[in-house]
Amino acid sequence: AQRVTQPEKLLSVFKGAPVELKCNYSYSGSPELFWYVQYSRQRLQLLLRHISRESIKGFTADLNKGETSFHLKKPFAQEEDSAMYYCANFGNEKLTFGTGTRLTIIP
Amino acid sequence: GAVVSQHPSWVICKSGTSVKIECRSLDFQATTMFWYRQFPKQSLMLMATSNEGSKATYEQGVEKDKFLINHASLTLSTLTVTSAHPEDSSFYICSAADRAQGEAFFGQGTRLTVV
Repeated sequence: AQRVTQPEKLLSVFKGAPVELKCNYSYSGSPELFWYVQYSRQRLQLLLRHISRESIKGFTADLNKGETSFHLKKPFAQEEDSAMYYCANFGNEKLTFGTGTRLTIIP
Repeated sequence: GAVVSQHPSWVICKSGTSVKIECRSLDFQATTMFWYRQFPKQSLMLMATSNEGSKATYEQGVEKDKFLINHASLTLSTLTVTSAHPEDSSFYICSAADRAQGEAFFGQGTRLTVV
């Protein structure tokens, strides 16, 4: 079985402040982790994946196998970052999502 | 990126009727599609995995006779909510996995309201 946990349902951050959205996973195999974002009235879209180690819109996420974490970070929050963020793991041929964190950037 | 089209975007139906939701991958072949249900302000709950040419794999607690899934081709999966009841009202989202690109793409979702 696999499980993805996002402990924060809501997170408010001032514009320009650093952002960290927490994600922990539980999976017996080798994890394949993603962050998805859903802006208001839009569909879910991929933000980044741990395999490619890329930075998208200033966001980065590092897989820490020791802590079984894949936290999403951005050094300086922007207003357009306000959205719903989901961490997900692809394992056993299934994409399992965390409960999501609603990020609100305060101007 | 690839496009997944879901239709209809919203539907209102009477209690007891059936509703079909379509999910199409427009520019890639999807051997696997996923159907999710999302309750207000909650996460996506995986209902079933749809495999082209074979039976869908349902998650625990999801009634397969209630939520019929058909994946007849590499670009189309359908979810039929049979004998719908008001408690079936929800937001249903499909996703298609493009293994070549190593990611899943999502439909825009279908808001089902059963009255």
